[in-house]
Amino acid sequence: RKEVEQDPGPFNVPEGATVAFNCTYSNSASQSFFWYRQDCRKEPKLLMSVYSSGNEDGRFTAQLNRASQYISLLIRDSKLSDSATYLCVVNLWGSQGNLIFGKGTKLSVKP
Amino acid sequence: DTAVSQTPKYLVTQMGNDKSIKCEQNLGHDTMYWYKQDSKKFLKIMFSYNNKELIINETVPNRFSPKSPDKAHLNLHINSLELGDSAVYFCASSLLGTRLGGELFFGEGSRLTVL
Repeated sequence: RKEVEQDPGPFNVPEGATVAFNCTYSNSASQSFFWYRQDCRKEPKLLMSVYSSGNEDGRFTAQLNRASQYISLLIRDSKLSDSATYLCVVNLWGSQGNLIFGKGTKLSVKP
Repeated sequence: DTAVSQTPKYLVTQMGNDKSIKCEQNLGHDTMYWYKQDSKKFLKIMFSYNNKELIINETVPNRFSPKSPDKAHLNLHINSLELGDSAVYFCASSLLGTRLGGELFFGEGSRLTVL
């Protein structure tokens, strides 16, 4: 089992749609969680951290379920500019601190 | 001003050659990294330095040698390039090490093609 697995995508949605991405991680000792966004042929950038109680940033909502080792990202009212690859990222505290990146889920928002 | 800058952005070279990629950050961060993103898009850490000290050295062929002359610079030298080295190499930095959940700031990437 891969350390961080994501929906393979691509997700093709119309503007205004709500879309959800899922991510599972294999190591129960994982302690911190993030979503990064990577535009085509660009570098990844932090979208948001994921907190145990769930957190929201505008149209974006992240959820964490430690029992199921599952992270999600919900995007409401999709914009054309949301088109990108979304990377689920997991960190193991107490280790050397590697951030483990998922392969990413590609989102394409169409007019 | 670019926070994390790496050069060159594109490298095309023959198998067997040696090449270097340079990285500089002006964010005042203590920790810098090299990541490799291959054709399958997996982003994997190669090395991490904290204030010039090597702290992460993943299973990378010893043809890859990082060098950090100071905490604002982390260079990557690759000897005897192979076809499988073709990838995008990203430099990154963080204020807190990723062990503490620090955000990574990436450079724009250096796209290496080995012919």
